[in-house]
Amino acid sequence: GAVVSQHPSWVICKSGTSVKIECRSLDFQATTMFWYRQFPKQSLMLMATSNEGSKATYEQGVEKDKFLINHASLTLSTLTVTSAHPEDSSFYICSARDHQGGSAGANVLTFGAGSRLTVL
Amino acid sequence: KQEVTQIPAALSVPEGENLVLNCSFTDSAIYNLQWFRQDPGKGLTSLLLIQSSQREQTSGRLNASLDKSSGRSTLYIAASQPGDSATYLCAVITQAGTALIFGKGTTLSVSS
Repeated sequence: GAVVSQHPSWVICKSGTSVKIECRSLDFQATTMFWYRQFPKQSLMLMATSNEGSKATYEQGVEKDKFLINHASLTLSTLTVTSAHPEDSSFYICSARDHQGGSAGANVLTFGAGSRLTVL
Repeated sequence: KQEVTQIPAALSVPEGENLVLNCSFTDSAIYNLQWFRQDPGKGLTSLLLIQSSQREQTSGRLNASLDKSSGRSTLYIAASQPGDSATYLCAVITQAGTALIFGKGTTLSVSS
């Protein structure tokens, strides 16, 4: 089945530094990837939709200059948390849609294992 | 705007009980609905996917039903086990090509 790899699985950084999280589709091509954030004991909130070769679409309230998304290839999307602060500490999860999933598969998403960011 | 609600927020049961988790969504025009399991501090494990044209899906002790017209889905867990303890998330896709919209989840605790 489709596999999405997310790296790193956890990261601790100092306040003010930038952190990059990678999301890779290992055995399929993904024109669209989604980035979610999950605070403790909360549900997953969609942050942005990443489209290969174009600018990401951000949800209301998400700062695009703080959460930089790059989707340069059909198998890789990156989320960079710039000038991270303690309030950015969260669990970030990506999901990807199979480019060739057909009408049914087009709406089946595969999730990465998540990346836990702790900003000191 | 699609909203997904899950009831109850938390549930504690003794081992062996059958239980039902509820999910409701405000916009019945969905493409599919998915149930996930999330263990503390971990990612998501997909349990069951129900396409909009389907009524239910079964996998082992799990059975998920979908009633689009009423905007509801249930996840039935038979003969619960301590290993079933986790948070169960319900999510829907409303429009083709868009992201899953999640509920807040039901945290299940099964005691031995």
